[in-house]
Amino acid sequence: GQNIDQPTEMTATEGAIVQINCTYQTSGFNGLFWYQQHAGEAPTFLSYNVLDGLEEKGRFSSFLSRSKGYSYLLLKELQMKDSASYLCAVRRTTDSWGKLQFGAGTQVVVTP
Amino acid sequence: GAVVSQHPSRVICKSGTSVKIECRSLDFQATTMFWYRQFPKQSLMLMATSNEGSKATYEQGVEKDKFLINHASLTLSTLTVTSAHPEDSSFYICSASVAGLAGTSYNEQFFGPGTRLTVL
Repeated sequence: GQNIDQPTEMTATEGAIVQINCTYQTSGFNGLFWYQQHAGEAPTFLSYNVLDGLEEKGRFSSFLSRSKGYSYLLLKELQMKDSASYLCAVRRTTDSWGKLQFGAGTQVVVTP
Repeated sequence: GAVVSQHPSRVICKSGTSVKIECRSLDFQATTMFWYRQFPKQSLMLMATSNEGSKATYEQGVEKDKFLINHASLTLSTLTVTSAHPEDSSFYICSASVAGLAGTSYNEQFFGPGTRLTVL
C-alpha cells in the first residue's frame, strides 16, 4: 500500500507565493503528478516529476526528492483564479495502464 | 487535443433505478479509462480500471455487480450504477490515458468534466 499526505487547506494573499507539500510512502515509485481541481470540475494536469529536482512551468513549479518521498508544488504570483484544490498523485511501476493513487488534496484559498 | 467528455453532466434519479454514465475520448483513442468517485471536499477515489474489450479491474471494496463497466471501443466506456440508493449520490469522474499520445510525455490521465449523481 501507500500513503500520500498533503495539508488540508492553505490560505495566501493575492500576489504571494504558496508551497504545497506532499509526502508519500510507496514501493516501486514511477512518477508524481500534480493536478488542479476547481470545485465541481474535473482535475487538470499541472506537472509531472519522475527524477529528483525542480520542474518549472510559468508561475508553477514542482519539486521531487525520491529519497525523501517528498514533493512540493510552488505557486508564485498568486491570482484569485488559483483558488482550487491541488491534488498530489503517485504512480507505481507495479500499477498497469498509468493508474494513479491520489492524495486527499489541498484546498488553497487566495484572498485579496 | 486529449479531450474527454462525459454524459450526462447531472442526473437525478429515484432510489432503485439504474443510471448509465458515458465517457468518451473525443480526439484520441484511449488505451485505458478509469472511473473515480468523489464525495464533497474529498479526493478522487478510484473505482475501477477499464481496458477496451476486456473486463474491468475493480478496486477493493467496490461492488462490480453494482457498478457495471463496459468498454466497448477505444473511445467509449460506460458506467452503470444499478439499483441506485441515496448513498450512491456523488460526483463520478472518468479519465482516459494512452501511451505515446502526441503532445504528451508522461502517460498522464485526461479527465472528463464529471457527472453529478443525486439519488432521491
